[in-house]
Amino acid sequence: NAGVMQNPRHLVRRRGQEARLRCSPMKGHSHVYWYRQLPEEGLKFMVYLQKENIIDESGMPKERFSAEFPKEGPSILRIQQVVRGDSAAYFCASSPPGTGNNSPLHFGNGTRLTVT
Amino acid sequence: AQSVAQPEDQVNVAEGNPLTVKCTYSVSGNPYLFWYVQYPNRGLQFLLKYITGDNLVKGSYGFEAEFNKSQTSFHLKKPSALVSDSALYFCAVRDGGNNRLAFGKGNQVVVIP
Repeated sequence: NAGVMQNPRHLVRRRGQEARLRCSPMKGHSHVYWYRQLPEEGLKFMVYLQKENIIDESGMPKERFSAEFPKEGPSILRIQQVVRGDSAAYFCASSPPGTGNNSPLHFGNGTRLTVT
Repeated sequence: AQSVAQPEDQVNVAEGNPLTVKCTYSVSGNPYLFWYVQYPNRGLQFLLKYITGDNLVKGSYGFEAEFNKSQTSFHLKKPSALVSDSALYFCAVRDGGNNRLAFGKGNQVVVIP
């Protein structure tokens, strides 16, 4: 049973370009979370999605960032017009439906975005 | 909003000695508490969780954690540390009212041979 799959593992973008990060949750999981990790800052919640719905986007920057989790295919975190401050590791996590707050999150290995 | 504090940046311990990583939390409702470990260039791996019941929770790789409601703490412990336990450890809390998991900034554990 494959775990949470994120790609690419490493992504280099020049300032002003777009970054698209993909996440395929574990089989049977319908809840997806995106977190950003900066050195010395830990993990910061960005967004929580279920299939075709954004449930909580309170951690997403108001501009340039968007996320989706379509009915078919992976979840996508999209960063438009990237700036150097967007350089970070972005982690996706998933959990199964119906388990409420008891369920731990299962994390992918992350995408390390470098903006030059 | 829920939050977690991990007061120490780095924890150094000699191999074979007890290991403790501290965590305190703040929530408005019932706390759901978790510990995760992260190895270099990897995602987070789940170690253990406290939902309700016994205050001492046992998890993977010989780790355990003690929930203390009066001190709002959930310290991670291991009786005898291994060099392979050297990693970054994260405490996390979920408020009963929402699905968001809030993480502390993490503690680097270094086990010295």
